[in-house]
Amino acid sequence: GESVGLHLPTLSVQEGDNSIINCAYSNSASDYFIWYKQESGKGPQFIIDIRSNMDKRQGQRVTVLLNKTVKHLSLQIAATQPGDSAVYFCAENLSGGYNKLIFGAGTRLAVHP
Amino acid sequence: EAGVAQSPRYKIIEKRQSVAFWCNPISGHATLYWYQQILGQGPKLLIQFQNNGVVDDSQLPKDRFSAERLKGVDSTLKIQPAKLEDSAVYLCASSFGYQETQYFGPGTRLLVL
Repeated sequence: GESVGLHLPTLSVQEGDNSIINCAYSNSASDYFIWYKQESGKGPQFIIDIRSNMDKRQGQRVTVLLNKTVKHLSLQIAATQPGDSAVYFCAENLSGGYNKLIFGAGTRLAVHP
Repeated sequence: EAGVAQSPRYKIIEKRQSVAFWCNPISGHATLYWYQQILGQGPKLLIQFQNNGVVDDSQLPKDRFSAERLKGVDSTLKIQPAKLEDSAVYLCASSFGYQETQYFGPGTRLLVL
C-alpha cells in the first residue's frame, strides 16, 4: 500500500554535530520527495526536495540523499543548531497524480547545547 | 510574499456541533489542499482543488466533511456534525501548480469535547 515511514521516531544530537534523519518509502512509482520541518504550533515548512532522477541535492546546511534501489531517503543537517529542533517529515509524491503527498509519521530532532 | 493564511487558529466545540475553517492561499497559487493532522502523525490529505474544481477528495469523509473553493481563491472546510475523533490540526496548503512545492499555513487546532 501507500506508505512512508521513518526508521527513528526521535533523534537527540549535540549542538554543532551533524544530524541524519532517515526515511523509507514503499511506492516505487514515486518520483518526487520532500522534507518538511514542523515546529510546535506551526505548519510544516518546506526544507528541500529531490526528484527521482537525482541521487543527491544540497541546500544551505542540508543535504538530501535518495537511494531508489532500497527506497530510502535521508536528510543530513550540518552543524545542527538549537533552532533545528523540530519534527521532520519526509513525503513522497506519486507520479502521474495530482501532486498527492504521502507523509510519514515524522522524526523528532532534539538538539542539546 | 504573504504565506497561507488560516482562521481561526483554535476552536473548541462539543460533539455533534458544526465548525468551519477558512483558508486564503498564496496569491497566484492555483492548487489548494486541506490536510488533517492527528497528534503524533503526519498530515493526511483530505481534499485537493485545482482552481475551483476538486481533483482529489478520496479521503474526505463526505458524510460529515465538505469543502468549497469559490472563485478559485479562498476555501472553507466544514465539519457537520463533529465527532470526538475529528480532534486534530487542519492544515491548508497551496502550490503554484499541481507539480509544484506545497506551502502550508499555520493550521487550525480543533478540539471536540
